[in-house]
Amino acid sequence: DTAVSQTPKYLVTQMGNDKSIKCEQNLGHDTMYWYKQDSKKFLKIMFSYNNKELIINETVPNRFSPKSPDKAHLNLHINSLELGDSAVYFCASSQVAGAEAFFGQGTRLTVV
Amino acid sequence: GIQVEQSPPDLILQEGANSTLRCNFSDSVNNLQWFHQNPWGQLINLFYIPSGTKQNGRLSATTVATERYSLLYISSSQTTDSGVYFCAVEILGNEKLTFGTGTRLTIIP
Repeated sequence: DTAVSQTPKYLVTQMGNDKSIKCEQNLGHDTMYWYKQDSKKFLKIMFSYNNKELIINETVPNRFSPKSPDKAHLNLHINSLELGDSAVYFCASSQVAGAEAFFGQGTRLTVV
Repeated sequence: GIQVEQSPPDLILQEGANSTLRCNFSDSVNNLQWFHQNPWGQLINLFYIPSGTKQNGRLSATTVATERYSLLYISSSQTTDSGVYFCAVEILGNEKLTFGTGTRLTIIP
């Protein structure tokens, strides 16, 4: 059983398109996150949700819109994709903020 | 914001060698985790260690919270240990992990 699962694993798309990445956790955690890993491997928080409520939006462009239909899911929708959006996006969850975080396998997004 | 520095940035070792990776952070933390990012890109949890010492097989970690550093020890390295090791910390009330820049470990057979 995969604890935190993301789909798709790879996503190649053209500039200007809109795409979504889905994330689900079966750990019963209250808090979910999206992180972005750039080409230099640097990992940075994008969003954090606690019980479906947004608690962190780390100055991400408003083309990125997270949606949490329930506390087990946190999806990431990206409008008008740009070349600079190419990166690996990781979903994560933790029991509560500050507890151990578990990461999904990542989604490699390539914008061409 | 909190600064997280890891050293060394790169480490190349022969199989069987031991290594110590260091993580320094600039503020008091309530969460510290070590991760291994394998060559396939997966982030694997190694330790949740805001303070104290833990051991798991050939790996162990120590966090000295009062001095704001953590160490990850890898003994008898194997080629499967290759990858990037990240330290990540969370300060109280921040509700997010701040990652270090990582140590790239390469184990040569």
